[in-house]
Amino acid sequence: GAGVSQSPSNKVTEKGKDVELRCDPISGHTALYWYRQSLGQGLEFLIYFQGNSAPDKSGLPSDRFSAERTGGSVSTLTIQRTQQEDSAVYLCASSLVSGRVAGTQYFGPGTRLTVL
Amino acid sequence: SQKIEQNSEALNIQEGKTATLTCNYTNYSPAYLQWYRQDPGRGPVFLLLIRENEKEKRKERLKVTFDTTLKQSLFHITASQPADSATYLCALWITGGGNKLTFGTGTQLKVEL
Repeated sequence: GAGVSQSPSNKVTEKGKDVELRCDPISGHTALYWYRQSLGQGLEFLIYFQGNSAPDKSGLPSDRFSAERTGGSVSTLTIQRTQQEDSAVYLCASSLVSGRVAGTQYFGPGTRLTVL
Repeated sequence: SQKIEQNSEALNIQEGKTATLTCNYTNYSPAYLQWYRQDPGRGPVFLLLIRENEKEKRKERLKVTFDTTLKQSLFHITASQPADSATYLCALWITGGGNKLTFGTGTQLKVEL
């Protein structure tokens, strides 16, 4: 079956513009995660969705960042009024989460965002 | 503060040798530790998971150890091949930590002919 897909693969925008990044998780996966990876850095957790529960937004760096997950499937990460420091690769992952067992996360290829 | 540390310098080894990568952590009590592989321009790919009550886990040429006293995991690739060249990330899952993984910065491995 298909893996996690993300679009666009690359996005170049001007400072101050809004951007939307899309993630299609693996069908049936109840958990969805967004991460940010800057050059030479590790993965920085942004937000986590699990089923119908309220999302864990503890990693969002500012109120310019928001995310939605519609119908328990597709997710959109929105960055408003982009800044140059927002330039990074944004990765989405999905997993089956059962109780308290750590689910293997399946990652998409990422969206490379460049803010000029 | 809580930290996960992996060697930031690239590890260069010769083909056929065993590569050993280190993941150290402080101020965490992880229930699970995972290792992922990341190739340039791609998302990480899961390799192995080891639980806090397991000392060692193997999968083909891969071996992971987990020492909760030392707060360290070692990741070994035996009979390394150039195709093993990639960045390897460790990630901790903490029970009650909000059901999310915390990743290290990764170590780049280069296997040379």
